[in-house]
Amino acid sequence: GQNIDQPTEMTATEGAIVQINCTYQTSGFNGLFWYQQHAGEAPTFLSYNVLDGLEEKGRFSSFLSRSKGYSYLLLKELQMKDSASYLCAVRGRMDSSYKLIFGSGTRLLVRP
Amino acid sequence: DTGVSQDPRHKITKRGQNVTFRCDPISEHNRLYWYRQTLGQGPEFLTYFQNEAQLEKSRLLSDRFSAERPKGSFSTLEIQRTEQGDSAMYLCASSTHEQGGIKSPLHFGNGTRLTVT
Repeated sequence: GQNIDQPTEMTATEGAIVQINCTYQTSGFNGLFWYQQHAGEAPTFLSYNVLDGLEEKGRFSSFLSRSKGYSYLLLKELQMKDSASYLCAVRGRMDSSYKLIFGSGTRLLVRP
Repeated sequence: DTGVSQDPRHKITKRGQNVTFRCDPISEHNRLYWYRQTLGQGPEFLTYFQNEAQLEKSRLLSDRFSAERPKGSFSTLEIQRTEQGDSAMYLCASSTHEQGGIKSPLHFGNGTRLTVT
């Protein structure tokens, strides 16, 4: 089966750092993606990990441990505009579609 | 690059009616996906096209759902005899086949929000 778990909601303060965790159990593994989705808008691509370790992109970083089936998204210097849902998605076994399997998302609220 | 566009943005229909949604992917992308998203959930995969060929369909896609991509460019998703349980956001996404496609993210449109009354 395929299972991707994320916390449902998190709250953090403007200027702070927040870590959003994701654990996964999938049939095969060909990469993990993080997306940001503001209410009523399209999910937008943030990061991609396929090897163990940390990928940094400005204020956002993403970490992967394949042996633990675990990833996290780290958001630094939080801004009000970072209030959104953050979706963890896995590209599982190699099939024709290269589809992504998504978790339910973590709703992040940034407070002043 | 104008991104993935979907039409309409919103659709309200009565139970039992048929509806059709359109998706225009990013022009150089040969892979096209349809997903469905309900409130508080992540997107769920429905179906996939590579060029004009529909290569994969989820078990979520009942016989009332049909999708086409006739010339390998835009795609349509039709739902026949709509039910209240079909109310959701229908998202279209496209991706490139560069580097074998394995690293390519999906680029999503803003979706069509369907409400069945």
